[in-house]
Amino acid sequence: DAGITQSPRHKVTETGTPVTLRCHQTENHRYMYWYRQDPGHGLRLIHYSYGVKDTDKGEVSDGYSVSRSKTEDFLLTLESATSSQTSVYFCAIGSSAGANTGELFFGEGSRLTVL
Amino acid sequence: KQEVTQIPAALSVPEGENLVLNCSFTDSAIYNLQWFRQDPGKGLTSLLLIQSSQREQTSGRLNASLDKSSGRSTLYIAASQPGDSATYLCAVRPDGGATNKLIFGTGTLLAIQP
Repeated sequence: DAGITQSPRHKVTETGTPVTLRCHQTENHRYMYWYRQDPGHGLRLIHYSYGVKDTDKGEVSDGYSVSRSKTEDFLLTLESATSSQTSVYFCAIGSSAGANTGELFFGEGSRLTVL
Repeated sequence: KQEVTQIPAALSVPEGENLVLNCSFTDSAIYNLQWFRQDPGKGLTSLLLIQSSQREQTSGRLNASLDKSSGRSTLYIAASQPGDSATYLCAVRPDGGATNKLIFGTGTLLAIQP
């Protein structure tokens, strides 16, 4: 299994509070991603990173920010959580070399509930 | 805009049967296609990755095919087992991008009856 750890795995918070989810990898992959998974929508890309301090927006980036100060860590922050951000958040890492170029590996997910 | 569709949304078959899951995409300009398995409450497990230049990939009882021109991929599962019960997702990486941004289908929920 790819070495990806997400924390926290479960969190309940109130509307308007800040929340930070952490993704830690031990694979030294260049690319890291944050997705959210919601019933009827599948997985949608929030933000991604292509290197330390290099990040870009995905299709559902409003209300989220990210940071990547080290290769192994990718943080997702909800500055002021809203009920619409209740979801399961998945971190993924991507290989960039060899026959498996482009293959993504996912973490176990972080379930966030915003009351 | 690339869209990925998986039909059926749910499938139930008796143990031992061979089965096919379908994935279609609207834009044939893809870099690769990946099949995943997701168990309830768990993350996604990569099953097979097919690069755009390939027609199929095999891993054990699983075989995935890719027909770019028609915008279709199939996942064939031979001799199904109850442990194969899960949601199966396909995802495409559009061509021309420098990163591995995937576009997902909404999955097929598979139940294998003992």
